[in-house]
Amino acid sequence: SAVISQKPSRDICQRGTSLTIQCQVDSQVTMMFWYRQQPGQSLTLIATANQGSEATYESGFVIDKFPISRPNLTFSTLTVSNMSPEDSSIYLCSVRQALSGANVLTFGAGSRLTVL
Amino acid sequence: GQSLEQPSEVTAVEGAIVQINCTYQTSGFYGLSWYQQHDGGAPTFLSYNALDGLEETGRFSSFLSRSDSYGYLLLQELQMKDSASYFCAVNRDDKIIFGKGTRLHILP
Repeated sequence: SAVISQKPSRDICQRGTSLTIQCQVDSQVTMMFWYRQQPGQSLTLIATANQGSEATYESGFVIDKFPISRPNLTFSTLTVSNMSPEDSSIYLCSVRQALSGANVLTFGAGSRLTVL
Repeated sequence: GQSLEQPSEVTAVEGAIVQINCTYQTSGFYGLSWYQQHDGGAPTFLSYNALDGLEETGRFSSFLSRSDSYGYLLLQELQMKDSASYFCAVNRDDKIIFGKGTRLHILP
């Protein structure tokens, strides 16, 4: 399965600033997904990032707040803009691959953001 | 819309068997997946069911009934290292949606 490098692994940010999270995959993948996970909670899909097209955002998430880039088949970024303490969370990128007939998500290690 | 329901917590004894249930409502259903997540770690894939029936992978098995919109994960011969959160997830053609997760506590 794919190996995903995600950075930063953690950061402490000031309210009103923006932070860009990078996700690098060791193989070409069509679909990449960005999830958010608050401590002890489930994984909430933010958006789907496909190369060559605009990202598709889930209900409750908008491009102005979470702009995404997908310049090629191995890389994506998620920016968390104008951060507030409510944005404190773990952000995870993932890729979907077909393995033995199953659609499987492989996740990066996550980026833990704390907004003060 | 879509929804998944699973128990928030389950407690079992080391060496025992535990079953974590999941019911779901969604459109465009392709299959049901299970993921394990240890504290501080990323979720990792455990099992996938596209068709009705039981899939076995070592100590873990997963079951799906499409007509009942129901599945479960069965963990046998529990070990302390199985203490983790377990998420069921519906696979749609365009995305994978996760349940709220079940925290499994294992007692020695």
